[in-house]
Amino acid sequence: QVHLQESGPGLVKPSETLSLTCNVSGGSISNYYWSWIRQPPGKGLEWIGYFHYSGTTKYSPSLKNRVTISGDTSNNQFSLKLNSVTAADTAVYYCARDKGRTGVDPWGQGTLVTVSS
Amino acid sequence: QSALTQPASVSGSPGQSITISCTGTSSDVGNYNLVSWYQQYPGKAPKLMIYQDTKRPSGVSNRFSGSKSGNTASLTISGLQAEDEADYYCCSYAGSNTFYVFGAGTKVTVL
Repeated sequence: QVHLQESGPGLVKPSETLSLTCNVSGGSISNYYWSWIRQPPGKGLEWIGYFHYSGTTKYSPSLKNRVTISGDTSNNQFSLKLNSVTAADTAVYYCARDKGRTGVDPWGQGTLVTVSS
Repeated sequence: QSALTQPASVSGSPGQSITISCTGTSSDVGNYNLVSWYQQYPGKAPKLMIYQDTKRPSGVSNRFSGSKSGNTASLTISGLQAEDEADYYCCSYAGSNTFYVFGAGTKVTVL
């Protein structure tokens, strides 16, 4: 059974870069697509983008100028970098497996990242 | 503002059926058979309940069903139970540029 776990700093200063890693166990990231999705406190879900082991990436149009998603197949993990953060980027960040037509499943437990000085 | 429109809340008594709507456009919900629904308990990660408009993943109760007509998708929960009290989000593929759009979520309350 595939399990995902996010890790990274819980506090980032404005204008700096948010960096998170998702460790995948129970399955290889050399299959499927691997996504980052976020949820501001008390609000809805927002898709950030995905990584495919072939090197293909896709990003939300609203974030594409600030986001990079990459993968490390040797360590079976993938990462998110979001630069020039502001308070609006404060959210719970989830990593998840994107099975394309068959939905996003499973999801990691999520990690809260707060942008504040 | 979310791309897909959902009611903020829906409620029902145990045993009843409720339906949550998810309205999009001809560029997303109405153009692809790729609406999915997610259940989220407070402080927990979302869980996939429905994919490809109407299909249920293995392990999801058959009390949950999905449907779609035009630009509006729906999630129906039949035989409502206390454990169904959660937030529900719809999501649609919206083409190769936008990719995924979500609704703002619907809070289901079991009276």
